[in-house]
Amino acid sequence: DVKVTQSSRYLVKRTGEKVFLECVQDMDHENMFWYRQDPGLGLRLIYFSYDVKMKEKGDIPEGYSVSREKKERFSLILESASTNQTSMYLCASSLERGYNEQFFGPGTRLTVL
Amino acid sequence: AQKITQTQPGMFVQEKEAVTLDCTYDTSDPSYGLFWYKQPSSGEMIFLIYQGSYDQQNATEGRYSLNFQKARKSANLVISASQLGDSAMYFCAMREMETSYDKVIFGPGTSLSVIP
Repeated sequence: DVKVTQSSRYLVKRTGEKVFLECVQDMDHENMFWYRQDPGLGLRLIYFSYDVKMKEKGDIPEGYSVSREKKERFSLILESASTNQTSMYLCASSLERGYNEQFFGPGTRLTVL
Repeated sequence: AQKITQTQPGMFVQEKEAVTLDCTYDTSDPSYGLFWYKQPSSGEMIFLIYQGSYDQQNATEGRYSLNFQKARKSANLVISASQLGDSAMYFCAMREMETSYDKVIFGPGTSLSVIP
């Protein structure tokens, strides 16, 4: 079974803090994705990566950066957390470019106070 | 403009009945794919079914089928013989193969509650 794990289920941070969200997949997938999920808006793509050290902006990259130093790990970084970044963050992976199915992690619910 | 529209924020269905969840999409890309995902209260998104824009037949996976009407730009999910475990959020999504190959666009979701 493909497994995508995220470092925390719940996280509480203060405004201005630097926040790291970690995602690890164990199936040698090429593609990895970070989404945020807000009620009534569905999932919105923040960044994705189709190879180590490669990254592409999604629809809402402002205020976020990412890092992919190893194939299995994709990190989302909030350089200076703000209250409007309070959300559910979902990581996903897929086998390779053009592959349809994405496998998701359990999500991290981030609250910024 | 919304690329994926799901007009039913919440739905109820009796156990063992069939239910249709609506999804309409907007694209000018001639090649695209349509997906449905399920998100139970545990939070993890589960892939259900996929339909390619050039597929002649409607996709089916067990109790799930996708009613694809290309001219109407609709991709409704039909769940037959509903079970209590089907209670969840359901998201319709689309990938435009030529415009943005790797990006999947999700709709706002429909919350389905199955009543015993």
